[in-house]
Amino acid sequence: DAKTTQPTSMDCAEGRAANLPCNHSTISGNEYVYWYRQIHSQGPQYIIHGLKNNETNEMASLIITEDRKSSTLILPHATLRDTAVYYCIVSPNNAGNMLTFGGGTRLMVKP
Amino acid sequence: NAGVTQTPKFQVLKTGQSMTLQCAQDMNHEYMSWYRQDPGMGLRLIHYSVGAGITDQGEVPNGYNVSRSTTEDFPLRLLSAAPSQTSVYFCASSYGRAGAGSPLHFGNGTRLTVT
Repeated sequence: DAKTTQPTSMDCAEGRAANLPCNHSTISGNEYVYWYRQIHSQGPQYIIHGLKNNETNEMASLIITEDRKSSTLILPHATLRDTAVYYCIVSPNNAGNMLTFGGGTRLMVKP
Repeated sequence: NAGVTQTPKFQVLKTGQSMTLQCAQDMNHEYMSWYRQDPGMGLRLIHYSVGAGITDQGEVPNGYNVSRSTTEDFPLRLLSAAPSQTSVYFCASSYGRAGAGSPLHFGNGTRLTVT
């Protein structure tokens, strides 16, 4: 499974866009990129995923570079409730469907 | 649509006691799994199921049993609780394999303390 690298922490002003980067330089052609977040020890919350194309849903946008070696999660208008740990994960190929959660990025949205 | 529901939310056990953590999903998902998360650490897979009647071990299965008699329910049993099992337990479900583009949906966890 491809490993991911994320900054440990980031700050963002309320109302501004939050851009969270992720490096996955060893990703394979059939591996998806998933983004989850965990708010104050609640269960991880699925945000978005993509394979090659950019994706957008009601929560966020996912921009994947053409070579697929990195991606950026964009929260267009961050609110205080978006303060959380954000995990970038490359999809597993193991039978257990196990996701490997690394350290993630701790996003602090400030007023 | 409730999603993944876990009960209880909090539990305190004495060493040696047994109990069952409940997990139910109403999304007709085939895949279900149990994770534990220790303070400051990532999630570790305990057991998983790819459908009713089918279960298998994950990364840290010792001390836990599971069964999957229905698509909706996937209970986790602690046979004889130990302090090392103090953790937050998360149940997750997905329609298919995450490797095929099917995201996992998590419950809000059961916080277990073993004294």
